[in-house]
Amino acid sequence: ETGVTQTPRHLVMGMTNKKSLKCEQHLGHNAMYWYKQSAKKPLELMFVYNFKEQTENNSVPSRFSPECPNSSHLFLHLHTLQPEDSALYLCASSQGGGAVNEQFFGPGTRLTVL
Amino acid sequence: QQQVKQSPQSLIVQKGGISIINCAYENTAFDYFPWYQQFPGKGPALLIAIRPDVSEKKEGRFTISFNKSAKQFSLHIMDSQPGDSATYFCAARGRGSTLGRLYFGRGTQLTVWP
Repeated sequence: ETGVTQTPRHLVMGMTNKKSLKCEQHLGHNAMYWYKQSAKKPLELMFVYNFKEQTENNSVPSRFSPECPNSSHLFLHLHTLQPEDSALYLCASSQGGGAVNEQFFGPGTRLTVL
Repeated sequence: QQQVKQSPQSLIVQKGGISIINCAYENTAFDYFPWYQQFPGKGPALLIAIRPDVSEKKEGRFTISFNKSAKQFSLHIMDSQPGDSATYFCAARGRGSTLGRLYFGRGTQLTVWP
């Protein structure tokens, strides 16, 4: 595997379900991000982790719970979601630090909440 | 408040033509302006980026023009090809932001007709 991988690629869940999204980066980066991509809206930054520590929570509802066990893995635990949470959830990683800091994105998980 | 405004929302260009996408920002503390390209089913990928101390950057058929005084920057795709059909996002990063928090525009869906 190379780059940033995400599983599953598609997920359909009911509002009472609990599910988790997984992201893994194979780039040796130390920073990882969760973004939400909805139609006709800018990408919304949700969470940022640097060296496993959460550095940013962009006012995300508590029904989204991130977990970063190490610098290569990032999870997003989902519970009691709403239909408006249906979107493409993108994970990204970057080296962090330095003047230029390119973020590498995974292919995303297409989430549908019924 | 949207930090980066992007236009147009969609663009149709004939093969061989020039595609132009525009972005504007308000925050003068931004110091890095990348453009991302996203194909269906894929995550965004960095296409080209510019820092505000230069007015233009060219990489192959892709050029960024930057107007610091007007707080505007644009992407020009010369000799547009059907393979360029994708969604393009401009973004901006805050000065001193070592983790590269990016503010994205809403995206432009480009279609290049053969």
